Amino acid sequence: SAVISQKPSRDICQRGTSLTIQCQVDSQVTMMFWYRQQPGQSLTLIATANQGSEATYESGFVIDKFPISRPNLTFSTLTVSNMSPEDSSIYLCSVRSGDYGYTFGSGTRLTVV
Amino acid sequence: TQLLEQSPQFLSIQEGENLTVYCNSSSVFSSLQWYRQEPGEGPVLLVTVVTGGEVKKLKRLTFQFGDARKDSSLHITAAQPGDTGLYLCAGRIQGAQKLVFGQGTRLTINP
Repeated sequence: SAVISQKPSRDICQRGTSLTIQCQVDSQVTMMFWYRQQPGQSLTLIATANQGSEATYESGFVIDKFPISRPNLTFSTLTVSNMSPEDSSIYLCSVRSGDYGYTFGSGTRLTVV
Repeated sequence: TQLLEQSPQFLSIQEGENLTVYCNSSSVFSSLQWYRQEPGEGPVLLVTVVTGGEVKKLKRLTFQFGDARKDSSLHITAAQPGDTGLYLCAGRIQGAQKLVFGQGTRLTINP
């Protein structure tokens, strides 16, 4: 199965600033998925990132707040822009792995102060 | 509206007891997966069920997919403290690539 390297693992940021999270996959993948996991809660899909096209955002998430880059088939970034304390969450990237499974990065724990 | 309803959301039991976690939906899934997540880590895949009525066993864990592929259960026999963690069900909707997650079950096994 694919191996994902996600960084940073954690960060504490000032409100109003932006943070870019990176995910590197050890194999080429068509789609990469970005999730948010709010404290004590489950995962919510933010967007699906395809190489060579605009990301597809889920309801409640917009490109201006969460711009995504997908420059090649092994790498993607998610930026959390103009942060507020409500953005404090764990952010995870994921790719399909094998016929049915999905592999996740270890997550980025973001605290906005 | 939650597409996948997972229950219970919290469960604390004694070592040696049995437990069952449920995931239910009104939607049909092409596959359904169970993940376990430890603090500071991403979810790790435990099992994928694909066929309606399918049952899979992983040591003391038994996973079942409903006949109509709308629901699933995870049963743990003789729970151990090492089973403590967040268990997540996730379904892949027919024709889509993305996963939808249940609310998660935070399981605590007390020695």
